[in-house]
Amino acid sequence: DTEVTQTPKHLVMGMTNKKSLKCEQHMGHRAMYWYKQKAKKPPELMFVYSYEKLSINESVPSRFSPECPNSSLLNLHLHALQPEDSALYLCASSQGQGALGNQPQHFGDGTRLSIL
Amino acid sequence: QQQVKQSPQSLIVQKGGISIINCAYENTAFDYFPWYQQFPGKGPALLIAIRPDVSEKKEGRFTISFNKSAKQFSLHIMDSQPGDSATYFCAASIMGNQFYFGTGTSLTVIP
Repeated sequence: DTEVTQTPKHLVMGMTNKKSLKCEQHMGHRAMYWYKQKAKKPPELMFVYSYEKLSINESVPSRFSPECPNSSLLNLHLHALQPEDSALYLCASSQGQGALGNQPQHFGDGTRLSIL
Repeated sequence: QQQVKQSPQSLIVQKGGISIINCAYENTAFDYFPWYQQFPGKGPALLIAIRPDVSEKKEGRFTISFNKSAKQFSLHIMDSQPGDSATYFCAASIMGNQFYFGTGTSLTVIP
């Protein structure tokens, strides 16, 4: 069992739907990440939150909207997605950035997203 | 621009053999080098990691060799087992601000 929990495990949605992916960790980590992973490819960074503030946005389209309600939770709100957005969406956490860096990331098992 | 280059793309090893995966980087500011193992349908799991002030780190059957001057590091899996069949990613980061992943190696261990 991973220490980073993602829900749902699978999600099928139409291009006009609005849905949210959720991620939760209780390790006291202060940095949280969203990645997108296509089959047989490495994880591709989307967003980084550090101490609940968005610190990195890798030029992700606005149809993806991240939210960090508190230090344990991370959401990814989805709206008007395209078929090419179908992928495995991974959440990760780490102890922190900067002085607290050089610590491993812990990944959840992801949400398998399919856009019809 | 690929910050971390990984090879080979795929690897087939006999049970009991040694699996070797190589990675190379250019940015000398990288200060943390983890290896991740990923099984189908699962997220990447940290396998072993090293910092550039150490030339080798061993944990069980897994060893990282690090060559700072050559800007290369490698993962050695000794006594490879069928259960090691997975995709392996090397990565590098600077102060934990961003992790750059290699392109991945699909390892198959034949019984």
